[in-house]
Amino acid sequence: QKEVEQDPGPLSVPEGAIVSLNCTYSNSAFQYFMWYRQYSRKGPELLMYTYSSGNKEDGRFTAQVDKSSKYISLFIRDSQPSDSATYLCAMNRSGEKLTFGTGTRLTIIP
Amino acid sequence: GAVVSQHPSWVICKSGTSVKIECRSLDFQATTMFWYRQFPKQSLMLMATSNEGSKATYEQGVEKDKFLINHASLTLSTLTVTSAHPEDSSFYICSARITRGNNEQFFGPGTRLTVL
Repeated sequence: QKEVEQDPGPLSVPEGAIVSLNCTYSNSAFQYFMWYRQYSRKGPELLMYTYSSGNKEDGRFTAQVDKSSKYISLFIRDSQPSDSATYLCAMNRSGEKLTFGTGTRLTIIP
Repeated sequence: GAVVSQHPSWVICKSGTSVKIECRSLDFQATTMFWYRQFPKQSLMLMATSNEGSKATYEQGVEKDKFLINHASLTLSTLTVTSAHPEDSSFYICSARITRGNNEQFFGPGTRLTVL
């Protein structure tokens, strides 16, 4: 069993829809949770960075962390074609290497 | 802020040659830099962690004599792929962490290496 599980997709949704991306993990020691967006042939871009359980909102993006269930989510509201990318969840303990999910390929259909 | 650059963005070389990739933090000092490789449609695989002024720590299965990492300053780390072979063709990405007390990592744009 992988430490971090993420549905690879692909996921296609119409423009304007709400997108829900999820990861589950097995290591209860993880403290920091991140979502990266990666366009084709580019490096990952840090979208959301959260510590422990709770919600964090930034514009159209909301990150949720439920440590009791070992489950994290990223919601994208009013999705745009420019949101089409691969989304990677990542997590770690402070100062340690990141453990990544496999990434979910998302396509927003105009 | 927190911009990381890589050079070159792509490189094609002949088998047996060595290739150097640079990773720079442009607007911050990075005490720790990381090197990853990524195959098509796969996630990132950590190759090594480098701290400024000390030897890099390589992940299991990564040949340290083949992938030479130097982190000589707080803004520059280099990865040299020595005696490159076609199986080394991949997308190499670096990331940088601002300070030891800050956990956020910022990634460079990546370098695509093709070995003929």
